Amino acid sequence: GAVVSQHPSRVICKSGTSVKIECRSLDFQATTMFWYRQFPKQSLMLMATSNEGSKATYEQGVEKDKFLINHASLTLSTLTVTSAHPEDSSFYICSARDPSGKETQYFGPGTRLLVL
Amino acid sequence: AQSVTQLDSQVPVFEEAPVELRCNYSSSVSVYLFWYVQYPNQGLQLLLKYLSGSTLVKGINGFEAEFNKSQTSFHLRKPSVHISDTAEYFCAVSEWGSQGNLIFGKGTKLSVKP
Repeated sequence: GAVVSQHPSRVICKSGTSVKIECRSLDFQATTMFWYRQFPKQSLMLMATSNEGSKATYEQGVEKDKFLINHASLTLSTLTVTSAHPEDSSFYICSARDPSGKETQYFGPGTRLLVL
Repeated sequence: AQSVTQLDSQVPVFEEAPVELRCNYSSSVSVYLFWYVQYPNQGLQLLLKYLSGSTLVKGINGFEAEFNKSQTSFHLRKPSVHISDTAEYFCAVSEWGSQGNLIFGKGTKLSVKP
């Protein structure tokens, strides 16, 4: 099956710094990728939809200037958490839509962010 | 707006017993339905999906689910669980014609005891 990777898997940073998370589709091209956030023992909340070559579409309540998304190629989308604060600590998961149109998303393994 | 309800936050069950994880949804349009499994500190793995056709869908690891349009349900079942099935299970929907963004339920923690 299709594989999606994320890097890094875990990151610890100081408050005020920026962190970039990469999401790659390894064996297929993904025109659409999604970024989710998951708090401990809770469900995934969609943050934004990332389309290759265009601006991301953010969900209501998600600050686009804080969570910068870039989908520069068909295999890479990046999420940058700018000026991170402790409340941004969370598990960030990306997914890529199956290009064959079978309405399936393949999920990355997630990135654990801890802001001190 | 779409929503997904997983009524049971936790389901404890003994090994080799049957299990059903419940999922109900609401939507003003037709939807696709999914079940994902998440092991600790990992991403999500697709168990099964309903797109169209037969309302009984079979997935990986012996799981199956049945789409019931009149009851707007998509319950997940397994006739005999294993210790290794212990994980968090998420039901999700996406709207026909959308970009495929998923709306997730809050998840059900399945704990299989020996």
